[in-house]
Amino acid sequence: NAGVTQTPKFQVLKTGQSMTLQCAQDMNHEYMSWYRQDPGMGLRLIHYSVGAGITDQGEVPNGYNVSRSTTEDFPLRLLSAAPSQTSVYFCASNDRGITTDTQYFGPGTRLTVL
Amino acid sequence: EDKVVQSPLSLVVHEGDTVTLNCSYEVTNFRSLLWYKQEKKAPTFLFMLTSSGIEKKSGRLSSILDKKELFSILNITATQTGDSAIYLCAVETSGNTGKLIFGQGTTLQVKP
Repeated sequence: NAGVTQTPKFQVLKTGQSMTLQCAQDMNHEYMSWYRQDPGMGLRLIHYSVGAGITDQGEVPNGYNVSRSTTEDFPLRLLSAAPSQTSVYFCASNDRGITTDTQYFGPGTRLTVL
Repeated sequence: EDKVVQSPLSLVVHEGDTVTLNCSYEVTNFRSLLWYKQEKKAPTFLFMLTSSGIEKKSGRLSSILDKKELFSILNITATQTGDSAIYLCAVETSGNTGKLIFGQGTTLQVKP
């Protein structure tokens, strides 16, 4: 199992550009989420999905879109990048077994918007 | 509004010390509380707590949840420099969503 993979690892954008952060998991998890992490603010939920075809907003959804056409993939789209979106982005998927409720995180994407 | 608050935000100790990290929460429909350790990369899972008063232990780390007073603590005994990290507390609310609300994190530095 590769676990949760994210691409790219680093990205620099100019204000106004758009891009898609990729996230994939091979554990057949139903639940997937996107978080952003900024200094002193922990992780904040952007969007999440409880299964293919179902997505919902988290705490900070503005400026981001998601879709979940397959169980494996959960891409995050920045429509028009802004400097306030400079952050580290983590994708996660959930193992919702009977005795565990572990959230597996991808390695992160460090995004800088100039 | 659901929120999770951790304290202290940062802590510096020396090897061998014992530390206690705090996490308090105000959420609707509490489901579980989770602790993570984050070094340079992604957070790694430590504990999940769902029931009050039951201590979870893993080596020198232990954690307990008080659902009446709405808080959890993470204890680390005999700290080592390898314990230096950000410790994150998160609460899962409602059912079957998988989404977590995180606290700000506590940055722990253990000096030799």
